[in-house]
Amino acid sequence: GEDVEQSLFLSVREGDSSVINCTYTDSSSTYLYWYKQEPGAGLQLLTYIFSNMDMKQDQRLTVLLNKKDKHLSLRIADTQTGDSAIYFCAELGRNSGYALNFGKGTSLLVTP
Amino acid sequence: ETGVTQSPTHLIKTRGQQVTLRCSSQSGHNTVSWYQQALGQGPQFIFQYYREEENGRGNFPPRFSGLQFPNYSSELNVNALELDDSALYLCASAYGSGDKNTEAFFGQGTRLTVV
Repeated sequence: GEDVEQSLFLSVREGDSSVINCTYTDSSSTYLYWYKQEPGAGLQLLTYIFSNMDMKQDQRLTVLLNKKDKHLSLRIADTQTGDSAIYFCAELGRNSGYALNFGKGTSLLVTP
Repeated sequence: ETGVTQSPTHLIKTRGQQVTLRCSSQSGHNTVSWYQQALGQGPQFIFQYYREEENGRGNFPPRFSGLQFPNYSSELNVNALELDDSALYLCASAYGSGDKNTEAFFGQGTRLTVV
C-alpha cells in the first residue's frame, strides 16, 4: 500500500512528555493504531482510535486524530526508560483490504 | 502476553529450501494474518485467513502460501527461499473480518535467516 509516514527517531529525557507523529494515507481508514516493539520482540498493541473520534486517553497515553490532515499522534506523559522502544503507527482501511498498513516506526530513546 | 504463540522462534535455512512457520491463535479468535518485517522496516502484510479461507493478500509472490486449520491455528509456507526472505515473520490473531477486525494481537515472531 501507500506509505504511512513517521519520523524515524525521537530522544527525550525521563519524566518529560514524548509526542510521536504519524501521517496516514487512507481517508477510509476506520481504525488507527499504535503498536510498541521492544528489541527482539513482537508487536504490543498500545491503543487504537476509531476514525470518528478526535482524541482518546488511556492512562499515560493520549492519541490525537486530525482526519482532515490524516494526522495521528501519540503522547506519552511522564516518559520512563522502559518506554524506550520502536513505536509503529498503523491504519486499517478499505485501501489496504482491511489489513494493517504500518509505518516504518519511530525509535524512542529515553535518557535518564 | 497476547496468547498468540509462534514456532520456532529462530530458524536458519539455505537458499532454495522450503520452510513452514506455525502460529497458534488467541482463544476465540477466528482471523489470522501474517506479516513480514525486514530489518529496520515496518511489518508488511502477507495474507489473512478468516474461518479457514484466505480473504486478503498483500504484494507477495505465490511461493508464500498458508493454511488455517479448524482450530484456527495457522501455517505460513515459503518455497524456494531467497536471501531477501530473511526477516521476522509475525502472526496476528483477531476476532472478525474486514472492519470488524478491530484488535489484532501479535505473537513474538519467528526470526528466519536465509543463507
